[in-house]
Amino acid sequence: DQQVKQNSPSLSVQEGRISILNCDYTNSMFDYFLWYKKYPAEGPTFLISISSIKDKNEDGRFTVFLNKSAKHLSLHIVPSQPGDSAVYFCAASGGPGNQFYFGTGTSLTVIP
Amino acid sequence: DAEITQSPRHKITETGRQVTLACHQTWNHNNMFWYRQDLGHGLRLIHYSYGVHDTNKGEVSDGYSVSRSNTEDLPLTLESAASSQTSVYFCASSNMNTEAFFGQGTRLTVV
Repeated sequence: DQQVKQNSPSLSVQEGRISILNCDYTNSMFDYFLWYKKYPAEGPTFLISISSIKDKNEDGRFTVFLNKSAKHLSLHIVPSQPGDSAVYFCAASGGPGNQFYFGTGTSLTVIP
Repeated sequence: DAEITQSPRHKITETGRQVTLACHQTWNHNNMFWYRQDLGHGLRLIHYSYGVHDTNKGEVSDGYSVSRSNTEDLPLTLESAASSQTSVYFCASSNMNTEAFFGQGTRLTVV
């Protein structure tokens, strides 16, 4: 059974607006979470991470929020740019460097 | 620059053949992982290794094997290729305090 879930296969957003991508997990032992971005025919590239001792982490236009009680995290991109159009994967592990479990991905399209 | 490379990038093989996909990293990372990407399933963990001579099964390990004889390489072997193993395969590496870095992927088609 999928331990990490992304229930929205796709999302379209206007350029300049906020993109919100969501992720849920079931395993309470997960304590390290990451977001990866993937373009076609390329490997996933790391975007941002958060450990369970925090509830928010920011890096430029990207912010990840973690709600441990709800086993939910989200990625906010503000403002969204056309170059952000890609598939975004949420991942979780029992700690940095441990094996990662990925969600099914959300395809983001930013409309110019 | 340190990197992680996969070879071949594309492979077509016949059902029943043994196939090995190579993964080589120059990050000097202890941890290495193999994933497959399929529509509707995202990235699923096949096998992983935390160091030389260490290997572990992931979520979808049936029909696959790995061995780790040095830090740099983690080859993935399909013992007897099946059409259900047609997929895009990604190798990744990390250390204990880093995120995982991924290779460019190998597209495998089993006919």
